[in-house]
Amino acid sequence: DAGITQSPRYKITETGRQVTLMCHQTWSHSYMFWYRQDLGHGLRLIYYSAAADITDKGEVPDGYVVSRSKTENFPLTLESATRSQTSVYFCASSVTGHTEAFFGQGTRLTVV
Amino acid sequence: DAKTTQPPSMDCAEGRAANLPCNHSTISGNEYVYWYRQIHSQGPQYIIHGLKNNETNEMASLIITEDRKSSTLILPHATLRDTAVYYCIVRVLSNFGNEKLTFGTGTRLTIIP
Repeated sequence: DAGITQSPRYKITETGRQVTLMCHQTWSHSYMFWYRQDLGHGLRLIYYSAAADITDKGEVPDGYVVSRSKTENFPLTLESATRSQTSVYFCASSVTGHTEAFFGQGTRLTVV
Repeated sequence: DAKTTQPPSMDCAEGRAANLPCNHSTISGNEYVYWYRQIHSQGPQYIIHGLKNNETNEMASLIITEDRKSSTLILPHATLRDTAVYYCIVRVLSNFGNEKLTFGTGTRLTIIP
């Protein structure tokens, strides 16, 4: 299916475990973004990528790792999950840095 | 990127025009104004963007003041499905590798039947 998809939609993991959230887009958009959304904080940018093999930190990068070996995929890894990383995570993509961004449906992550 | 200020919440009667203000008094010449909305727990949805001229599309109109220090998003005939959080974003576009898209806390718009 065309578009941007996130997987899994829901995930429960234990403190200290590594977990990877997947994001896949079928448009060959250059830009991709990862956000987290917590109650009372709106959306906060974790990492973004301008192209394959080019990534940069956003507002809240600590505790997260990203990679972009292929244009269509932008996985987000929590190397050692903490309870404070319980959140809803959104991935987005855009053709260029100034065109509209398209968002996935989100991944609800709970760290217990 | 310039900061934006939006009222935390607004109500609007169904069928009326919803006017959502945004203050971006520190905006610079190469920064665009973007609007997105987020309905319930879905991913945000792009609405419109502009630099200095007023813009209109099928969803909304964007009015930017002449000094560009503020703007207003207008939903001409609000429906219940327009109930959402609306985000005003100012974004620098000129520097490769610095094309971030950062959100504030937005305005929660409630359409009243």
